[in-house]
Amino acid sequence: GENVEQHPSTLSVQEGDSAVIKCTYSDSASNYFPWYKQELGKGPQLIIDIRSNVGEKKDQRIAVTLNKTAKHFSLHITETQPEDSAVYFCAARGSVYKLSFGAGTTVTVRA
Amino acid sequence: EAGVTQFPSHSVIEKGQTVTLRCDPISGHDNLYWYRRVMGKEIKFLLHFVKESKQDESGMPNNRFLAERTGGTYSTLKVQPAELEDSGVYFCASSPGTGVEKLFFGSGTQLSVL
Repeated sequence: GENVEQHPSTLSVQEGDSAVIKCTYSDSASNYFPWYKQELGKGPQLIIDIRSNVGEKKDQRIAVTLNKTAKHFSLHITETQPEDSAVYFCAARGSVYKLSFGAGTTVTVRA
Repeated sequence: EAGVTQFPSHSVIEKGQTVTLRCDPISGHDNLYWYRRVMGKEIKFLLHFVKESKQDESGMPNNRFLAERTGGTYSTLKVQPAELEDSGVYFCASSPGTGVEKLFFGSGTQLSVL
């Protein structure tokens, strides 16, 4: 099945700086790559996703890039704010109804 | 619109006991999923319902776990008897007829088996 590796496991950034989280996947047939944000006491929430026919997608301060050849994708957060502090999960869809998740990245934005 | 609701939010039980987790999906969502995150590792798929039918239960660890979705509405996940390695956060998620592309998660149940 699909295997997703996520790095780093923890990330501390100064407010206003950028944060980058990287993931790799194993199944070349995977075609959908969502990112989820989990705030304290809440469940994961979809923040952005990308399909395999697109190389980059941006939504305000967050962007995702995908390199199908290398089988890796990344989340970029610019101008980080305290409310960006959370656990971020990447995922890949290996079949229609199943997502494989990474182990998560705990992001801390220092004021 | 109400989101995905899970109950209880926390459960502490002793090894050998039974625990039942409940999930109420978003109204109208035919797809219901159970996932588990153990000790800071990845969120792992357990099983998937389409209405009341089990579509895929390949992620269920063993026969101590039993999931049901009577009438295609809420779902329960029973662990009997619980073992130490069952500790973790159990998430329920639901989606409309678009598979996993619009997945809505509940807040999870933190299960601790002592």
